[in-house]
Amino acid sequence: AQKITQTQPGMFVQEKEAVTLDCTYDTSDPSYGLFWYKQPSSGEMIFLIYQGSYDQQNATEGRYSLNFQKARKSANLVISASQLGDSAMYFCAMREATGGGADGLTFGKGTHLIIQP
Amino acid sequence: KAGVTQTPRYLIKTRGQQVTLSCSPISGHRSVSWYQQTPGQGLQFLFEYFSETQRNKGNFPGRFSGRQFSNSRSEMNVSTLELGDSALYLCASTDPGGAEAFFGQGTRLTVV
Repeated sequence: AQKITQTQPGMFVQEKEAVTLDCTYDTSDPSYGLFWYKQPSSGEMIFLIYQGSYDQQNATEGRYSLNFQKARKSANLVISASQLGDSAMYFCAMREATGGGADGLTFGKGTHLIIQP
Repeated sequence: KAGVTQTPRYLIKTRGQQVTLSCSPISGHRSVSWYQQTPGQGLQFLFEYFSETQRNKGNFPGRFSGRQFSNSRSEMNVSTLELGDSALYLCASTDPGGAEAFFGQGTRLTVV
């Protein structure tokens, strides 16, 4: 079974609208971290936001917020007031604490977001 | 504060050759991990180093190896290159006690 599922291969959104990118995860580890990264066409993976499994509040970083629903194993990324520069691939990832977190990040297949003027 | 630096950015190699990629983590970060990104398989974990020790390795053949130096810089080596090794190789560093992993710009390897 996939550990990280991103069900939206591609999305078109009008500039200035809010965007929600879906991510569900699967783990039996009670301690884990969830990440979102942005990858523009240049290839660099840009860290956006992090949520720990024990964090009580949803993480926010500027225009980015993570809608964390632990019981549903859901960690959706919300981008408010989208901009043309937000067009990129977006990856959801998880790191489980088992093994001291040395197993690296497990990534979803990504969502290609295109912001239209 | 400088980010994660990967060199070279682009590389073209012939089948059967070997290649070494370099990654310099953010100053103070002691953990370095490597990932391979291909259109077919997506992003896959290769290995992680912490204080010069490999802590774990992903499901890759023994042709893929790495090491970390005392200054936390890391190298990964791929021997006997195959066409399927063509990929973007990304390196990430993690700060001590933190969870956030910061990536470099990657090395795009093309095997011909």
